[in-house]
Amino acid sequence: DQQVKQNSPSLSVQEGRISILNCDYTNSMFDYFLWYKKYPAEGPTFLISISSIKDKNEDGRFTVFLNKSAKHLSLHIVPSQPGDSAVYFCAARRNNAGNMLTFGGGTRLMVKP
Amino acid sequence: EPEVTQTPSHQVTQMGQEVILRCVPISNHLYFYWYRQILGQKVEFLVSFYNNEISEKSEIFDDQFSVERPDGSNFTLKIRSTKLEDSAMYFCASSIQGIPNEKLFFGSGTQLSVL
Repeated sequence: DQQVKQNSPSLSVQEGRISILNCDYTNSMFDYFLWYKKYPAEGPTFLISISSIKDKNEDGRFTVFLNKSAKHLSLHIVPSQPGDSAVYFCAARRNNAGNMLTFGGGTRLMVKP
Repeated sequence: EPEVTQTPSHQVTQMGQEVILRCVPISNHLYFYWYRQILGQKVEFLVSFYNNEISEKSEIFDDQFSVERPDGSNFTLKIRSTKLEDSAMYFCASSIQGIPNEKLFFGSGTQLSVL
């Protein structure tokens, strides 16, 4: 099942720089997209989301961009901080599918001091 | 911030044995979920539960799985006869209303190892 795909398993960024995490999806029925962050030994924590009717949503240092025609979304973190080091999961939800989320495989972000 | 709590954090069992994974969702939440992540694989949806009924379930959630809210606070996942391939991290989650733009709160997970 490759409906949601994160092609980069890892990303290393210098503190203060921008981190860009990418996610692609194939199912055009997805209407809501979310990013979760996961630290070791913890469950996923909600970060930011975007509805398919929008192309951008911003919350502090975190911005999610959605390109529906390309079926692509990205998470920008700026400036990146060492505490941002975690695994980031992209997730998508189909319309009328409640909160059944389809997750990507995750990208491990390492922010170097 | 309120938390979803899961017990135990680790569970080791023999193949064919029954296991029950326990979760205490956030107290005012009405929708409950189980997800799992097999080592090296994606987080996968298992089941959602509302008003004492299963709302949705995935293909993974076969007859060997069941969920229950035995009292006002606990939400359990039972695997009747565990298989080796059931070894995974199982995450419980809850949400207030189950509406589309609502975030899920996840617990820290129970690592299930089937030997």
